[in-house]
Amino acid sequence: EDQVTQSPEALRLQEGESSSLNCSYTVSGLRGLFWYRQDPGKGPEFLFTLYSAGEEKEKERLKATLTKKESFLHITAPKPEDSATYLCAVLPMDTGRRALTFGSGTRLQVQP
Amino acid sequence: GAGVSQSPRYKVAKRGQDVALRCDPISGHVSLFWYQQALGQGPEFLTYFQNEAQLDKSGLPSDRFFAERPEGSVSTLKIQRTQQEDSAVYLCASSLEAGNTIYFGEGSWLTVV
Repeated sequence: EDQVTQSPEALRLQEGESSSLNCSYTVSGLRGLFWYRQDPGKGPEFLFTLYSAGEEKEKERLKATLTKKESFLHITAPKPEDSATYLCAVLPMDTGRRALTFGSGTRLQVQP
Repeated sequence: GAGVSQSPRYKVAKRGQDVALRCDPISGHVSLFWYQQALGQGPEFLTYFQNEAQLDKSGLPSDRFFAERPEGSVSTLKIQRTQQEDSAVYLCASSLEAGNTIYFGEGSWLTVV
């Protein structure tokens, strides 16, 4: 059974204080690992897809990296508008299974 | 429309009442998913359609939950005889085809009283 564990559950940063969020996963063959951002009362918003170990993707202050067991979402010099819940999800290689398995998310609060 | 559209955004139902939640996916998207999200948790898979075919309904929690997509576009998730434990956000998502990036709607917030 696919499992995704995110840590920490909650993180409070000062504006400009860089940090990393962790996503550990177990899946029988990884087709893709996805990062989403979710604001309160909204649906998840797509950020990145990573397909193979060693891959990195960047968008503004965010950089996602992938190894064979985990992914990190690095936040450099965060701003208050980066406050949100960040969700990680995996899609297995099994072509009979199309659905993402999500972690519980990391709630990030960036204080000015 | 530009994104996945869901209605109603908020629904309060009395226990035992039937509810229907609608999803209008991104135009041209073949794959459509329904997820359930409890407060403080990540979304959990309910069911998946490829065009009008429901290929996976393994996540539906009970036979009170039923989903359809008769013409391969708009989908409806129906919950019969609602219970308090059905209170959650129901998220619809679509993708161009299976395995591609999945885009979510804003969700339908269901509260059963």
